Parts: sequence; structure tokens; C-alpha cells
Amino acid sequence: NAGVTQTPKFQVLKTGQSMTLQCAQDMNHNSMYWYRQDPGMGLRLIYYSASEGTTDKGEVPNGYNVSRLNKREFSLRLESAAPSQTSVYFCASSELSARGGNEQYFGPGTRLTVT
Amino acid sequence: AQSVSQHNHHVILSEAASLELGCNYSYGGTVNLFWYVQYPGQHLQLLLKYFSGDPLVKGIKGFEAEFIKSKFSFNLRKPSVQWSDTAEYFCAVHQAGTALIFGKGTTLSVSS
Repeated sequence: NAGVTQTPKFQVLKTGQSMTLQCAQDMNHNSMYWYRQDPGMGLRLIYYSASEGTTDKGEVPNGYNVSRLNKREFSLRLESAAPSQTSVYFCASSELSARGGNEQYFGPGTRLTVT
Repeated sequence: AQSVSQHNHHVILSEAASLELGCNYSYGGTVNLFWYVQYPGQHLQLLLKYFSGDPLVKGIKGFEAEFIKSKFSFNLRKPSVQWSDTAEYFCAVHQAGTALIFGKGTTLSVSS
């Protein structure tokens, strides 16, 4: 099993450009998430998808859109990149355990720089 | 608003020293608790988790954490750290019906 995979690993964009970050999981998880990680800020949830066909905003959704393409794939789109979106982006997936716990599995991350 | 606090931003230790990283959360009900570790240049990995039962949980690489409900705390401990424990550590809390909330992280630097 590859677990959670993300592409690309690195990306440099100019202000105003658009791009889509791809995420896929092969663990048959229902829920998928997009986070951004910034120094001193920890991980902040951008969007999540509790199940195929549903998406919800997290803590910092402005400037982003998501698509849950199918059960495996969850993409994050920046329509018009801004320097404030320079960050490391992590995708994660999870399945609620029998005890209700939400253990998440993370991808390797995408390091995005917006100039 | 629900929150998770990690008291130490950066901890510096020598090898073989004992480690305790603090984590407090603000929820009042039933919670599931996690510690994740992020080694330099890598993604987050689960270190240990608490769902219910024995409040002292053991994880990988000799780490353990104790859930103290009365103090809303879930502190991470290791009796003797190694250079390879240098990483960033994140506490996270999940409550039913909400998203997983992460603390801001603690950077641990271990000198050999």
C-alpha cells in the first residue's frame, strides 16, 4: 500500500496563477482532509470531505476550492495564488474506528511558494 | 472556540535526558487524543493515541502519554531521549462531530 500520495512535491507559482494539488489514498478511507502548515501555526484545516460527495470548510478555506473526485481522490485548487498561500500542504485520510477515534494518515506534503 | 495548547514551543535537551511535552485542550466532553511526530523533511506520523481505558498509553519508540481528565491534559513523555528524536511534535484532539484540532507544535532538538 502506498498510503496517501500527493503531487507535486514542490511548486513555485507567480501571484495570480492557478494550480491544483492532487491527493490520493489507497486505504479505502471515507474521510479526507487538506491542511496547511506554517511555522509557529501548527496544522490548520483548509477543507475536508467526510465522505464521497461531501465537502466542508475548515478553519482557513478562503482562496481555496476542493473536489472529492471519488472515494480515493481529493484535490485542492488555488484559483489565484497569493504570497500568503506560501506554505506546506498536507493531505490526510481517516476512517472512524469502532471506538470513534479519528486517526489520520498523512501524505508527504507539497511545498508551495508563491512569488 | 475549541483549542489545543502546547506549552513549549522549542525544547532543547541532551541525549539521555528525560522529556515531557505538555498538551492541554479545552473540550469538556469525551475526546480522543493523539500525538503525532514530524521528523525533518517528512510527513506526520502517529506516535500514540488514546481513545478510552488505561489513561497511560504507550506508543512507538519508547514514548508514552498520560491522559488526566481532570486537568484536560495529555502530556507526552520519554525517559531517555536520543538524537534521532529530534523532530516536531504535535498534540491533536478529536471530539465526535468535529474536525481533528492540532496544537501549534513543539520542536524538540536533541544534542549528542
